[in-house]
Amino acid sequence: NAGVTQTPKFRVLKTGQSMTLLCAQDMNHEYMYWYRQDPGMGLRLIHYSVGEGTTAKGEVPDGYNVSRLKKQNFLLGLESAAPSQTSVYFCASSFAGNTEAFFGQGTRLTVV
Amino acid sequence: RKEVEQDPGPFNVPEGATVAFNCTYSNSASQSFFWYRQDCRKEPKLLMSVYSSGNEDGRFTAQLNRASQYISLLIRDSKLSDSATYLCVVTLYQGGKLIFGQGTELSVKP
Repeated sequence: NAGVTQTPKFRVLKTGQSMTLLCAQDMNHEYMYWYRQDPGMGLRLIHYSVGEGTTAKGEVPDGYNVSRLKKQNFLLGLESAAPSQTSVYFCASSFAGNTEAFFGQGTRLTVV
Repeated sequence: RKEVEQDPGPFNVPEGATVAFNCTYSNSASQSFFWYRQDCRKEPKLLMSVYSSGNEDGRFTAQLNRASQYISLLIRDSKLSDSATYLCVVTLYQGGKLIFGQGTELSVKP
């Protein structure tokens, strides 16, 4: 029972490089989320999706893009990485907007 | 103003102590409320939902005051294993945005 799986777990990027983080869930959840967590800042919502083919901006969307082409996958893209995007990224999913969210184990991204 | 704000930490308490965390939210359209727990920068996990009438789960009690837009978590008889960061979470009535507070760190000492 995998739940929510994030890949990769760790990554080091050079400034200006691009990458995509993949989040996959096997619980048939409608809602999916991408957060970043920085020391003292808690989890801040980057983008979220309320169903296949939909996406919406969260609190800190600048510099990121997302896609939800399949219900089970939610991709987070960084087109041109900046050192300010060094963070731990968490993906989550939930059955509905007001139900328990299940998180992946996180991706530790460093941009140098 | 942040949408969800929590007590600043860290809280350092001895085993057996009672500790209370507070959380306020700014959007009156908020619908659902939760407390999550996060260990050592691992993924957050649901501790308990917060219901309007208040609810209890063992040593943990959660309260909601919609009029004051305030949520609380009470931990009785603290254990070493309760050491973690506690996150207050709010969802809006529409849209499904799950908004986290910045978290309050608890350290329970022997």
